[in-house]
Amino acid sequence: QSVLTQPPSVSGAPGQRVTISCTGSSSNIGAGYEVHWYQQLPGTAPKLLIYGNNNRPSGVPDRFSGSKSGTSASLAITGLQAEDEADYYCQSSDNSLSVRYVFGTGTKVTVL
Amino acid sequence: QVTLRESGPALVKPTQTLTLTCTFSGFSLSTSGMCVSWIRQPPGKALEWLALIDWDDDKYYSPSLKTRLTISKDTSKNQVVLTMTNMDPVDTATYYCARMGSGLAFDFWGQGTLVTVSS
Repeated sequence: QSVLTQPPSVSGAPGQRVTISCTGSSSNIGAGYEVHWYQQLPGTAPKLLIYGNNNRPSGVPDRFSGSKSGTSASLAITGLQAEDEADYYCQSSDNSLSVRYVFGTGTKVTVL
Repeated sequence: QVTLRESGPALVKPTQTLTLTCTFSGFSLSTSGMCVSWIRQPPGKALEWLALIDWDDDKYYSPSLKTRLTISKDTSKNQVVLTMTNMDPVDTATYYCARMGSGLAFDFWGQGTLVTVSS
């Protein structure tokens, strides 16, 4: 029951740039809530990748960047590397029906 | 450093109640702005937020599961407990606890615990 929609998969060759969209609505991203992104490597717990729309926690390479506009947000990976192959999730807050926090549907990034 | 670890049964029967414990270190849930959440992920599926408890003992639940969930904390033990009643096979998932700081992002996660619901 994700309320944030992401493409199921994106792919790119090493060194290329890929983007992942996260589409929400007026009750979440469009309401001004910040968007956060998580990377989930196979068989592991999610890891915070981007917080507050476009901030990287310490240790996250600057190849990862985030942006937000209107009711959508995007995650960009430049200089794609083999170790970037993972699932990526966006997350925000939501004020409809007292829902507090919502995740995206998830995107599998494949490095060709 | 901040760590979280989930514990609980790996297998529960349908209709039973699940009790999961999140034991954490490296921060205090009595510090203003600190929160701990439970999030689950069915095999091969997306993350789903379940519940959150904050430093002031305010509790928030997913509307679709609200009637089945209870979250509580024991600040002295650095633990957060989630109970989910009337378990069903569709509740089979890896259950994670995660810290939420003032930025409203889940900045630290436990390794997760797989719970299978089967008779």
